[in-house]
Amino acid sequence: DADVTQTPRNRITKTGKRIMLECSQTKGHDRMYWYRQDPGLGLRLIYYSFDVKDINKGEISDGYSVSRQAQAKFSLSLESAIPNQTALYFCATSDPRDSANYGYTFGSGTRLTVV
Amino acid sequence: AQKVTQAQTEISVVEKEDVTLDCVYETRDTTYYLFWYKQPPSGELVFLIRRNSFDEQNEISGRYSWNFQKSTSSFNFTITASQVVDSAVYFCALSVGGANSKLTFGKGITLSVRP
Repeated sequence: DADVTQTPRNRITKTGKRIMLECSQTKGHDRMYWYRQDPGLGLRLIYYSFDVKDINKGEISDGYSVSRQAQAKFSLSLESAIPNQTALYFCATSDPRDSANYGYTFGSGTRLTVV
Repeated sequence: AQKVTQAQTEISVVEKEDVTLDCVYETRDTTYYLFWYKQPPSGELVFLIRRNSFDEQNEISGRYSWNFQKSTSSFNFTITASQVVDSAVYFCALSVGGANSKLTFGKGITLSVRP
């Protein structure tokens, strides 16, 4: 099993629908992140959490919310999806105590299409 | 605020050519970490290298080499004798406040290596 698992891998949804992207990790890392990738724009940070009680907005948090249900789980919600939220979404974890992989582990990504 | 600039958007070379991918960063912090990631067509992010701000030593790993110059705030990546399998999007990224804090990514460079 992957260290960081994102579900679903692909999703097509309609404008206005609520959708949740889930991320779970087996790394035991405290820090978790949600990034969004758009062609030509790189990865941009949506939200991040340094522990279960800590939630922080990133660069592009409008239209998104998150929930840190446990150390291992960090979910991203689109309350009312719109077409310009069509993108590739990555979850990542990090921990200063984990020097392997220099501390960051990325999930395989969720490709979301809003029609 | 931190910023990473990858001015090249797309590069196309013929196999066996050398190619350099440029990365310029901005930060007021004196301690920071620079990364390169590769994103092949399959979409996952592959870690290539991390360098901290106190280590300006250049690094070579097989056909890959990295040139870090604090004087010009650059962290350039060279692929020697490129191969078709090097075709991918390459991201440069920066973190401050610790090696495992949030990453700021550049917009990425799409490298195409033609046979």
